[in-house]
Amino acid sequence: TQLLEQSPQFLSIQEGENLTVYCNSSSVFSSLQWYRQEPGEGPVLLVTVVTGGEVKKLKRLTFQFGDARKDSSLHITAAQPGDTGLYLCAGEDYGQNFVFGPGTRLSVLP
Amino acid sequence: GAVVSQHPSWVICKSGTSVKIECRSLDFQATTMFWYRQFPKQSLMLMATSNEGSKATYEQGVEKDKFLINHASLTLSTLTVTSAHPEDSSFYICSASGDWNYNEQFFGPGTRLTVL
Repeated sequence: TQLLEQSPQFLSIQEGENLTVYCNSSSVFSSLQWYRQEPGEGPVLLVTVVTGGEVKKLKRLTFQFGDARKDSSLHITAAQPGDTGLYLCAGEDYGQNFVFGPGTRLSVLP
Repeated sequence: GAVVSQHPSWVICKSGTSVKIECRSLDFQATTMFWYRQFPKQSLMLMATSNEGSKATYEQGVEKDKFLINHASLTLSTLTVTSAHPEDSSFYICSASGDWNYNEQFFGPGTRLTVL
């Protein structure tokens, strides 16, 4: 059974601070996605990483896929209250099977 | 692009009744649709995967006779909660992916079901 772990589970920071969220597994994935979900809404896809070692940037968000394609990180620079939400990573194996992590709940205080 | 809608966004029903939730891909053909359930403060729990024209594949522990899934076209999948009970109250979310984005899922906005 493939499992994804995320850390930390909860994070509360002040506006302007930097943070990193981690997504780890013992399994290899062909791709990995990061989503952000706000209360009462569906998750919104932020990025998909496919190549080991790949780094993608989305404004203040930097995503990295581990060299072995087993882990990933999301770094947010100068966090803003609008970044508040549940961040989910999801790994996809070669058979279009998706595994979701438990999520990291981020709260950015003004 | 890649917009997925769900209807209704919320529904309240009496115990014992059935509720149908629709999931539509608005601007792409969804060869695969997924149905998830989410409890408060928790992550997504996959219920079933459906491919257009085929029977859905249910995850272990999900009753296929209670949660009926139909994926009759490339743009529509439905989830029917039959004989709903209060413990079925939850947030149900669908997602869709197509041949062009087989390694990505695009989620609907979710449906909040409350069974009285």
